[in-house]
Amino acid sequence: EVQLVQSGAEVKKPGESLKISCKGSGYSFTNYWIGWVRQMPGKGLEWMGIIFPSDSDTRYSPSFQGQVTISADKSISTAYLQWSSLKASDTAMYYCARHGGGFQHWGQGTLVTVSS
Amino acid sequence: EIVLTQSPGTLSLSPGERATLSCRASQSVSSSYLVWYQQKPGQAPRLLIYGASSRATGIPDRFSGSGSGTDFTLTISRLEPEDFAVYYCQQYGSSPWTFGQGTKVEIK
Repeated sequence: EVQLVQSGAEVKKPGESLKISCKGSGYSFTNYWIGWVRQMPGKGLEWMGIIFPSDSDTRYSPSFQGQVTISADKSISTAYLQWSSLKASDTAMYYCARHGGGFQHWGQGTLVTVSS
Repeated sequence: EIVLTQSPGTLSLSPGERATLSCRASQSVSSSYLVWYQQKPGQAPRLLIYGASSRATGIPDRFSGSGSGTDFTLTISRLEPEDFAVYYCQQYGSSPWTFGQGTKVEIK
């Protein structure tokens, strides 16, 4: 069974750094793109970017380029989304998802709250 | 960037009725790269339709997708209680990949 398990909810202050994770299992992690999707409270889905774990080829939405870093460690089948300096506007649910003709499999989401 | 505009924003229908959701693209999208998702409150999205018209694994046949070019449609033939949710279209034929803003299907 394909599973993507994300790290737990985070509460951070503005200016702090953060790295959240997404661990894949039940499939060959290096063979599928993993994407990150933001959902702000009460809002729609926003595509942030995507990574191919085999060679770490990464693409970003212009809206998120320079704001976040997407990475992967194929040795432990885990993808990451990180911020160097959080803002209150980064408060959202973040989903990872495996791509293969659309995002077929999704993580459970990681809620990030940024508040002073 | 391809902008996907979904309409209507909210659809108020009764169980058993037919739902027709629209997704219009600002530029032509290859049908192969147009998908639909369903999202219920507190849950991650679920893939319904890929390649504009193919149902994903386990999706009931009351869900169907159609369209090409810039106009795509998701149809739910007879609404079941569990179908009341938010629906999103997405394209991944052109970077950046983009989502529509969603259509909420609510109980009338």
